[in-house]
Amino acid sequence: AQSVSQHNHHVILSEAASLELGCNYSYGGTVNLFWYVQYPGQHLQLLLKYFSGDPLVKGIKGFEAEFIKSKFSFNLRKPSVQWSDTAEYFCAVRGAGTASKLTFGTGTRLQVTL
Amino acid sequence: GAGVSQSPSNKVTEKGKDVELRCDPISGHTALYWYRQSLGQGLEFLIYFQGNSAPDKSGLPSDRFSAERTGGSVSTLTIQRTQQEDSAVYLCASSLTGQPQHFGDGTRLSIL
Repeated sequence: AQSVSQHNHHVILSEAASLELGCNYSYGGTVNLFWYVQYPGQHLQLLLKYFSGDPLVKGIKGFEAEFIKSKFSFNLRKPSVQWSDTAEYFCAVRGAGTASKLTFGTGTRLQVTL
Repeated sequence: GAGVSQSPSNKVTEKGKDVELRCDPISGHTALYWYRQSLGQGLEFLIYFQGNSAPDKSGLPSDRFSAERTGGSVSTLTIQRTQQEDSAVYLCASSLTGQPQHFGDGTRLSIL
């Protein structure tokens, strides 16, 4: 069965600090990988996705993620966080080329302080 | 354009009652999904519809849960004889085949 692990449950950073959120997955096949973000009081929004090709993908708001197949990882990074990045971040996986269900990690709550 | 619309946004009901939650997907999206978000459980898949194919019901937690999608568009998730452990935010998402899912704001269900 597929699964996703997000090891950081709650991260507190000061503005301008660099961010890296870990995501590891388990899946027996080729995958599509996603990061979603949920700002307070808002719905889940797609931050970025990996389908194929360049393993370094760039998303909205300066976020990027790197797919490392050998490590089954898809870590999220941002060089300099802003207070407005305070949100919950979810990593998700599904079989490649399908419209099947997403399997989500348990989420990482990011708190950015001024 | 319009996103995924869910109603009601909040629902409070007594234990044992039946509830219906509604999802209006983005127009033209062939795939529709229901998930549940609860404390300690994260986001759990419930059911998935793709076009005219039989739905994937593998995530439904019990036979008290059912869903239908009429005319390939609007979907209704029904929970019969609600229990307190059913309290959660129920999320609907839709997508074009193979594309990322777009989520609605969810229905917050509270069982007293």
